[in-house]
Amino acid sequence: GAVVSQHPSWVICKSGTSVKIECRSLDFQATTMFWYRQFPKQSLMLMATSNEGSKATYEQGVEKDKFLINHASLTLSTLTVTSAHPEDSSFYICSARDAGISSYNEQFFGPGTRLTVL
Amino acid sequence: RKEVEQDPGPFNVPEGATVAFNCTYSNSASQSFFWYRQDCRKEPKLLMSVYSSGNEDGRFTAQLNRASQYISLLIRDSKLSDSATYLCVVEPSRAGSYQLTFGKGTKLSVIP
Repeated sequence: GAVVSQHPSWVICKSGTSVKIECRSLDFQATTMFWYRQFPKQSLMLMATSNEGSKATYEQGVEKDKFLINHASLTLSTLTVTSAHPEDSSFYICSARDAGISSYNEQFFGPGTRLTVL
Repeated sequence: RKEVEQDPGPFNVPEGATVAFNCTYSNSASQSFFWYRQDCRKEPKLLMSVYSSGNEDGRFTAQLNRASQYISLLIRDSKLSDSATYLCVVEPSRAGSYQLTFGKGTKLSVIP
C-alpha cells in the first residue's frame, strides 16, 4: 500500500526558533499534499494544500508567512514553522494523494509530527 | 452549523456489543464520504468509504442518507481492538480540490 513518511516524528524547540517538517510519499508520486494540524481532543484542521511546482493554497486564518510550505518534487513537501511560539505546539499531519490514480480520492496520511514549543 | 458534526461520546461498550455512530454534514453538495479511524497519538487511517447504497465490510456497515445529510457507522460484535476514535470525513464539492473536512470524532472504548 501507499506509504507516507514524516520527519521528525517529534520535536521540542525553544520559542522563536524555526522548525522544518518533511513529508515524503515513499512509493508513489503526489502532485498534491495536504498539511493538517490537530490540537488535543480537536478534529484535524486543514492548514494548506501543497501543489508540486506551484504556491501552496492556505486555508482562512492560516498565516502563509508563518507556515512556509515548499513542494519541490513529486515526493516531498516541507512545512516550516517560523518563529515558533508555545501556541504552535500541536500535532502536524501531512497527507498525500496518489497522482497516478486520478479518479480515486483516497489520501494517505503520514504518521504525524508532534511539535512542542517551550 | 459545523461542517461535520459527530456525537463526541465516549462510547463505552462491552466486547461483542453492537455500536452505532452518527454524523451530519452541512454542505448538501458534498460528494464523497468516509469513516476514518484514529488511534491515540497516531495518524488517521481510512476505515471505509460510504456510498449512497450503503456498504458493508465485515463487521462494519456504513450508510449515507443524502436527503438528511446524515452518515452512520455500525460496528457489530465489537472487539477490544476496535477501541479508537472514529472520524466522519466529508469531501466538499469544490471540483478537483480533493480536500477533506473532518469531524471531531467519536471515541469508542470496548471493555472486556
